[in-house]
Amino acid sequence: DAGVIQSPRHEVTEMGQEVTLRCKPISGHNSLFWYRQTMMRGLELLIYFNNNVPIDDSGMPEDRFSAKMPNASFSTLKIQPSEPRDSAVYFCASNPGLAGSNTGELFFGEGSRLTVL
Amino acid sequence: ELKVEQNPLFLSMQEGKNYTIYCNYSTTSDRLYWYRQDPGKSLESLFVLLSNGAVKQEGRLMASLDTKARLSTLHITAAVHDLSATYFCAVVFDNNNDMRFGAGTRLTVKP
Repeated sequence: DAGVIQSPRHEVTEMGQEVTLRCKPISGHNSLFWYRQTMMRGLELLIYFNNNVPIDDSGMPEDRFSAKMPNASFSTLKIQPSEPRDSAVYFCASNPGLAGSNTGELFFGEGSRLTVL
Repeated sequence: ELKVEQNPLFLSMQEGKNYTIYCNYSTTSDRLYWYRQDPGKSLESLFVLLSNGAVKQEGRLMASLDTKARLSTLHITAAVHDLSATYFCAVVFDNNNDMRFGAGTRLTVKP
């Protein structure tokens, strides 16, 4: 069974450009998470969705960041305009939620490494 | 404020030695997770601890949870080089699906 799929794996862009990161969660998982990882700040939760609905976006750094989940199998994280301080690895993760016997553990994608020059 | 604190942040061990990584968290939770991350790779789930007193073991790693002390430990027995990685603990607060991570412990096992 395929895991969480992220694209692109690597992106290099110039300051001011729009960046779109994509994620396909594991089929049947109804919760999706976006995390950002940097050396200075570690793993930060940006936003998470339950059943395609954003539940908590308090971790989104500022208005330049937006995330959508138009259906159960696809999510995007957009940065517009991008800045050098946005350089990081962005991870998408999913889980089946906490209902029933689900343990709540997250299944991570391989990450998208973003470099903004 | 939701806080998850790990210590040590860096750990260099000799092969064959034992050591413990600690994870403290700030508010009530009965769901704690340990993940492993190899350099340049994704995070892999190691242990899920869902109740006070829970203990899980896999190979040379053993994790435990004390919800009253808000403390989890990850014990390494007779370390081997293959265990070199960064280990994260993570906590779900307020019984929702919001998982917060510690800063990670970078473990290096030397021959």
